[in-house]
Amino acid sequence: EVQLVESGGGLVQPGGSLRLSCATSGLTFSNYWMSWVRQAPGKGLEWVANINQDESEKYYVDSVKGRFTISRDNAKNSLYLQMNSLRVEDTAVYYCAKGGSHDYWGQGTLVTLSS
Amino acid sequence: DIQMTQSPSSLSASVGDRVTITCRASQGISNYLAWFQQRPGKAPKSLIYAASHLQSGVPSRFSGFGSGTDFTLTISSLQPEDFATYYCQQYSSYPLTFGGGTKVEIK
Repeated sequence: EVQLVESGGGLVQPGGSLRLSCATSGLTFSNYWMSWVRQAPGKGLEWVANINQDESEKYYVDSVKGRFTISRDNAKNSLYLQMNSLRVEDTAVYYCAKGGSHDYWGQGTLVTLSS
Repeated sequence: DIQMTQSPSSLSASVGDRVTITCRASQGISNYLAWFQQRPGKAPKSLIYAASHLQSGVPSRFSGFGSGTDFTLTISSLQPEDFATYYCQQYSSYPLTFGGGTKVEIK
């Protein structure tokens, strides 16, 4: 059974940093592109970033470019999102998802920006 | 950026009804389209990929159709567990983009 488990969310002040993690099991992690997708409270889904199998390709939505960095550790079957210079509008549940078509999702981790 | 427009944004239907949701891309995306179901307070769940391919374990009452710019998701006979919000998403080009969602409510 494929499982994706996010962690690392929490309450942070604007301008602060957080590192999200996504631990995976039940799949050959190193074979797949991986994504981060977020959902602001009461809003729709927004793709944030994704990464290919060997980290040679990374893509970001414009609103996070230069602030967020996606990475992975294939030996640990884990995906990461380093988030710097956080803004109030980054408040959301952050999901990790498998592949570009997002065929498996984690349960999400909540990131809340508040002063 | 490719804009994904879903219609309607919400609908009311009864158990047993046939429901169709439309998703239109602002430019051609071939068949690089996925559909997701999200129940309140839960993570999205993949239903369909490549416009018409059913994910493993998804009931056959769900079907997808389309190519290019116009796509549909049909639920042939609505069940109580199908009341949820549905999203389309293109993965043809970056940035990957989602439709605004269609909320399916009980009539």
